[in-house]
Amino acid sequence: AQSVTQLGSHVSVSEGALVLLRCNYSSSVPPYLFWYVQYPNQGLQLLLKYTSAATLVKGINGFEAEFKKSETSFHLTKPSAHMSDAAEYFCAVSLNTGNQFYFGTGTSLTVIP
Amino acid sequence: DAGVTQSPTHLIKTRGQQVTLRCSPKSGHDTVSWYQQALGQGPQFIFQYYEEEERQRGNFPDRFSGHQFPNYSSELNVNALLLGDSALYLCASSLLAGLWEAGDEQFFGPGTRLTVL
Repeated sequence: AQSVTQLGSHVSVSEGALVLLRCNYSSSVPPYLFWYVQYPNQGLQLLLKYTSAATLVKGINGFEAEFKKSETSFHLTKPSAHMSDAAEYFCAVSLNTGNQFYFGTGTSLTVIP
Repeated sequence: DAGVTQSPTHLIKTRGQQVTLRCSPKSGHDTVSWYQQALGQGPQFIFQYYEEEERQRGNFPDRFSGHQFPNYSSELNVNALLLGDSALYLCASSLLAGLWEAGDEQFFGPGTRLTVL
């Protein structure tokens, strides 16, 4: 079975500060991991994905995430927050392109000017 | 490429009614999945269609049913609506035998916001 836990339903950072959103997964087989962003009243946009090619994954908008098998984690980071980063972020796990995604409950990011 | 499209954008129904939501997948995709996203929650998998058949199903009652057409588009039907069915319904398309490394991940549509009164 696969599942995802996102620690912290709300995270606030100052503009220019480091963004760290936490995600831990549980999977009976090697997982594929994803981070999606959702802006108000919109669908989900893929930020980045881990597909076993490299443990440090770079995505769009300056975000990156590191897959740590020993910690079963896939935390999302960005060195310097921008006002436009304010959104809901979801971590997800899947087994392959034909399988469903299991999503975490989401983390709402607020950026303080 | 228009990506994944969904209609309608918003819908208001009353308890007990039936509703049909529609989804057109991204060009080249053959698989459609539906998710329910309640307010403040992550999306929950409802079911997936491939080759016009339900391939996988999440933990949703039989009131939720679907269909896939030969052109890969899909419908989600919900009967006997309950207040708790109010949510954002997301459609995602993908290539069943795709490769993550090739960029064959799921693409999500903008969703249909269903409000049940």
